[in-house]
Amino acid sequence: DAGVTQSPTHLIKTRGQHVTLRCSPISGHKSVSWYQQVLGQGPQFIFQYYEKEERGRGNFPDRFSARQFPNYSSELNVNALLLGDSALYLCASSFGQGYSYEQYFGPGTRLTVT
Amino acid sequence: QKEVEQNSGPLSVPEGAIASLNCTYSDRGSQSFFWYRQYSGKSPELIMSIYSNGDKEDGRFTAQLNKASQYVSLLIRDSQPSDSATYLCAVISGGSYIPTFGRGTSLIVHP
Repeated sequence: DAGVTQSPTHLIKTRGQHVTLRCSPISGHKSVSWYQQVLGQGPQFIFQYYEKEERGRGNFPDRFSARQFPNYSSELNVNALLLGDSALYLCASSFGQGYSYEQYFGPGTRLTVT
Repeated sequence: QKEVEQNSGPLSVPEGAIASLNCTYSDRGSQSFFWYRQYSGKSPELIMSIYSNGDKEDGRFTAQLNKASQYVSLLIRDSQPSDSATYLCAVISGGSYIPTFGRGTSLIVHP
């Protein structure tokens, strides 16, 4: 079975530009979460969606937004890119939302802002 | 602020030894605990989950949870050089379904 997929794999953008990252969850999974990971740190939570509704938002500015589509895939959008947005962006999917639902990560999108 | 603490390491062990990785958390109401392995330049891979006090074994891996002392650990028996990676601890606190990750412990298994 296919795991979580993300596109693109790598991306180079200039400050002030906008970026859209995409994620397809494992088949049958209804929840998608987005994380940002910088070198030497653990993943930092950005958004969680379940059944197409936002169920959680981390401490990130309004430049970050996301949505989940009827097929449970998801997009993360970042506006007005800053150098500090350079990071590995991870998408994780789980079957549902709850304490016992394990999250599985995609390969990530490496974003470099110059 | 719910915190998950891990020693960043590196933890260096010889091949064949037991590697012990530790994680402490601040929220006494935490419900779920996960260990992920992350190779350099790759994404995290789920190793184990544990939800109740005690030990849980899966192959060479054993997760240990002690809610009274607020720590969770991961033991890797018969460590192999291929186990060299960063190990991330993640905790889901009461009232939230969102895991908080520690910064990870770097493990080096030398031949």
